[in-house]
Amino acid sequence: DTEVTQTPKHLVMGMTNKKSLKCEQHMGHRAMYWYKQKAKKPPELMFVYSYEKLSINESVPSRFSPECPNSSLLNLHLHALQPEDSALYLCASSQSDRGLGEQYFGPGTRLTVT
Amino acid sequence: DQQVKQNSPSLSVQEGRISILNCDYTNSMFDYFLWYKKYPAEGPTFLISISSIKDKNEDGRFTVFLNKSAKHLSLHIVPSQPGDSAVYFCAAPISTSGTYKYIFGTGTRLKVLA
Repeated sequence: DTEVTQTPKHLVMGMTNKKSLKCEQHMGHRAMYWYKQKAKKPPELMFVYSYEKLSINESVPSRFSPECPNSSLLNLHLHALQPEDSALYLCASSQSDRGLGEQYFGPGTRLTVT
Repeated sequence: DQQVKQNSPSLSVQEGRISILNCDYTNSMFDYFLWYKKYPAEGPTFLISISSIKDKNEDGRFTVFLNKSAKHLSLHIVPSQPGDSAVYFCAAPISTSGTYKYIFGTGTRLKVLA
């Protein structure tokens, strides 16, 4: 089973709202990732968690706040977003705690900021 | 720094023929490359990988070739099927403080014509 699940599938939020994206994997993977993908662009890495600890933050604005409650769950808390933050947000996981090797992606959350 | 380029933004191939997708990278320190397929409104799906100890890796209709001296890899799909129509991304690793992250190419949109 190589399934990564993400909720919600779609999210529309205003610039003053607070919302959270959720990601879950039950493959026993040691690393989890958040990516952002804009239309006709490749996925761009935002955060990496290894063994539930933040190991990479790609200089993401503080209005995005990641959280890893346990080895299977990854959240992305959103607050005071801008319209340009509208994108597909992808979660991924990998067996390698150092990130080298296959990453398995969830279906993504399509976020629209109004 | 790692740059990953897929110079063909789109490719059309007749059903049953071979599809060849190309990818060039700049940083050859760590050679474990990934190929993904992505349908619209879905997360990327892992296809096939290749490490530096090989120059070829095959999985069913998909074969990836690695030319380390040219810093070039290619994905061959044969025979191509209409269901292969998707955007294909290659990804190359780069190390950041002992953790690897993947840089994705810009993608090639493959259309297989029935």
